[in-house]
Amino acid sequence: DGGITQSPKYLFRKEGQNVTLSCEQNLNHDAMYWYRQDPGQGLRLIYYSQIVNDFQKGDIAEGYSVSREKKESFPLTVTSAQKNPTAFYLCASSDHPGQTAGETQYFGPGTRLLVL
Amino acid sequence: GQQLNQSPQSMFIQEGEDVSMNCTSSSIFNTWLWYKQDPGEGPVLLIALYKAGELTSNGRLTAQFGITRKDSFLNISASIPSDVGIYFCAGLTQGAQKLVFGQGTRLTINP
Repeated sequence: DGGITQSPKYLFRKEGQNVTLSCEQNLNHDAMYWYRQDPGQGLRLIYYSQIVNDFQKGDIAEGYSVSREKKESFPLTVTSAQKNPTAFYLCASSDHPGQTAGETQYFGPGTRLLVL
Repeated sequence: GQQLNQSPQSMFIQEGEDVSMNCTSSSIFNTWLWYKQDPGEGPVLLIALYKAGELTSNGRLTAQFGITRKDSFLNISASIPSDVGIYFCAGLTQGAQKLVFGQGTRLTINP
């Protein structure tokens, strides 16, 4: 089946620890995105990548890092510099940004990060 | 930055009622998307709109791309319990690289 997978479903982080969230897509989409969602809130963009080996900061990039070494993968690292990391993290992908219908984003099931 | 005003923030209705929600902006959009999110899950795309005035249906759901290109509407007819969730609008302006999301409408249905 084609789609976006995120793992793990739940992740626990200790104080001062870096953790990496996985996002994989087999849709052959060019662009991938990471969002953060806090309880009762909308989606805030962390980072996005429109092509392999390139990515841009979103609205709340501080304390996060990403890489895009392969088209199908866009891992997100939550660093110790992120002081309030507890949230629901959503990965998305889109086919051809900039083309009509190409910006439509499809989301993964999400990873809930909790700080111990 | 660009903002989308989504309303209402929450709705409490009886099963079988029709539902209407909307998103408005001061900016002109080229694309409008409507998503539904169930608790603990990722948003699922319901309807995508790419042309001003476009009216598109998906089962009991109907969405419209406003003629001014500054708003969009989502209607749900004859609501059922599985319609419960949070509905998000999202839009893309000309030349933009990022979608703008509304804050969501939380739908609760009393059986």
